[in-house]
Amino acid sequence: QLQLHESGPGLVKPSETLSLTCTVSAGSISSNSHYWVWIRQPPGKGLEWIGSIYYSGSTYYSPSLKGRVTMSVDTSKNQFSLKVTSVTATDTAIYSCARLSSTGRYFGVFDIWGQGTLVTVSS
Amino acid sequence: DIQMTQSPSSLSASVGDRVTITCRASQSITNYLSWYQQKPGKAPKLLVYAASSLQDGVPSRFSGSGSGTDFSLTISNLQPEDFATYYCQSTFSTPRLTFGQGTRVEIK
Repeated sequence: QLQLHESGPGLVKPSETLSLTCTVSAGSISSNSHYWVWIRQPPGKGLEWIGSIYYSGSTYYSPSLKGRVTMSVDTSKNQFSLKVTSVTATDTAIYSCARLSSTGRYFGVFDIWGQGTLVTVSS
Repeated sequence: DIQMTQSPSSLSASVGDRVTITCRASQSITNYLSWYQQKPGKAPKLLVYAASSLQDGVPSRFSGSGSGTDFSLTISNLQPEDFATYYCQSTFSTPRLTFGQGTRVEIK
């Protein structure tokens, strides 16, 4: 069963860059039927889509993050990554990676999630 | 960009009650809507896709309906394990996605 695992610092200082990696195991990131997605959830709040990436490197970002987000993919390592620049306390959240179906009856549906990692922005 | 307005933001109900959560899209999304259930500390779980198709293994007391801009998730005969937060998600612009704000279902 394919699994996703987030890794990266749990504490980031204000104005610095948040960097996270999602590692895909027991499966290939080079799927033509899926996108790879980052989602975040501030403590006690709702889900927010950050961005999606295809294994070819095509990216799609949420306009609400106003150009602070960059996603990349490394197919040789079976990983995709997230960078959020100029972070503030409002970027404190649980960050999760997930797999999104891009075909068939499950079009647009999340079928696999990582366990999530809490990133706190604080000095 | 598509906006999803979900209501209510929270509700209190008793075991055995029938509960309905609504989600309205800012433009027509035909049937490109999913519903998820999330419990504390857990990843969201898919309940309904394509507005009204029940995911395998989800109890039949859950049902989804609607098309265009107005959708609903109904839980009939609410069970103790159903107390959770529910989210709608537009899949119309996949891979660009939008979630509703969430509805917390609490025990009365």
